Amino acid sequence: TQLLEQSPQFLSIQEGENLTVYCNSSSVFSSLQWYRQEPGEGPVLLVTVVTGGEVKKLKRLTFQFGDARKDSSLHITAAQPGDTGLYLCAGGGSNYKLTFGKGTLLTVNP
Amino acid sequence: DTGVSQNPRHKITKRGQNVTFRCDPISEHNRLYWYRQTLGQGPEFLTYFQNEAQLEKSRLLSDRFSAERPKGSFSTLEIQRTEQGDSAMYLCASAYADTQYFGPGTRLTVL
Repeated sequence: TQLLEQSPQFLSIQEGENLTVYCNSSSVFSSLQWYRQEPGEGPVLLVTVVTGGEVKKLKRLTFQFGDARKDSSLHITAAQPGDTGLYLCAGGGSNYKLTFGKGTLLTVNP
Repeated sequence: DTGVSQNPRHKITKRGQNVTFRCDPISEHNRLYWYRQTLGQGPEFLTYFQNEAQLEKSRLLSDRFSAERPKGSFSTLEIQRTEQGDSAMYLCASAYADTQYFGPGTRLTVL
């Protein structure tokens, strides 16, 4: 069974701070996706990474896929209250089905 | 809006009743997935369709659960004889290449 461990589970920071959340596994994934989810809504895709060592930037968000395609990180620069939400990483497997971590619940205080 | 839609958004039912949820995927996507998410957890895979063919089912999908995608477009997920443990958010996603796009989910509460 493929498992994804996300850390930290909870993170509460002040507006303007930087943060990094991690997603680790003992398994290799063909792709890794990061989603953000708000209460009562479905996950919204942020990025897909497929190549080991790949780095993608999306405005203040930087995503990295580990060289061995087993781990990933999400770094947010100068966090804003609008960044508040549950950040989920998901690894792609057979039939492209996703295995999700439990998520990191981020709260950015004004 | 050309995203994934799900109906209803919320469903409250009594234990033992049957419920059916609908998912309308993005029109050009031939793959469709159902997931279930409980509080404090990430979504868990339930089943997968490529066009109208159901190609994979999770062990989580007991015989009370059935899913269809009759014409390779919309999909339905039915739960028979609901139990309190079925209370969860049911998410549908449609997919192109490596990427899945989720709908807003159906929140099921079984009393």
